Amino acid sequence: NAGVTQTPKFRILKIGQSMTLQCTQDMNHNYMYWYRQDPGMGLKLIYYSVGAGITDKGEVPNGYNVSRSTTEDFPLRLELAAPSQTSVYFCASRLQTNTEAFFGQGTRLTVV
Amino acid sequence: AQSVTQLGSHVSVSEGALVLLRCNYSSSVPPYLFWYVQYPNQGLQLLLKYTTGATLVKGINGFEAEFKKSETSFHLTKPSAHMSDAAEYFCAVSVNDYKLSFGAGTTVTVRA
Repeated sequence: NAGVTQTPKFRILKIGQSMTLQCTQDMNHNYMYWYRQDPGMGLKLIYYSVGAGITDKGEVPNGYNVSRSTTEDFPLRLELAAPSQTSVYFCASRLQTNTEAFFGQGTRLTVV
Repeated sequence: AQSVTQLGSHVSVSEGALVLLRCNYSSSVPPYLFWYVQYPNQGLQLLLKYTTGATLVKGINGFEAEFKKSETSFHLTKPSAHMSDAAEYFCAVSVNDYKLSFGAGTTVTVRA
């Protein structure tokens, strides 16, 4: 099993540009998450999904959008990139609420 | 809503010494608790988890944690630190909903 796969691993964006961070999992997990990690701040939840067609906001959703058309895929869209979105982004998935989450390797995004 | 507090953002230990990382949670219902480890430039890996049953749980790499409901704590320990334990450690809490909330993390440095 590949687990959770994120692409790209690194990206530099200019202010105002847009991009999509890709996330796919092959474990047939219902729950999928997007987090951002900033130094000393832990992981902050951006968006989550409990199944195909169902998404909702987390703690820090502003400036981001998501979709979940299939069980496997959960892309994160950044519109009008800003320097405050410079961060490391992690996608995760899990089967149910009392099971562990599996994480991708992360995407390091820099907005200049 | 549940939350996690990790006491101490940095811990430095000598090789062979006890590693103790503190985690306290806040939840109005019985929680599921997790410890994750993150090595540089990698995603998060599960060390151990508590869901129900035995309150002392053993994980990978010689780590263990004890769930203490009366103290709302889930501290992580390892009797003898190894150089390979240098990493960042995150405590996380989940209840019977979608959320998986993380603490701010503790960076462990191991001195030779």
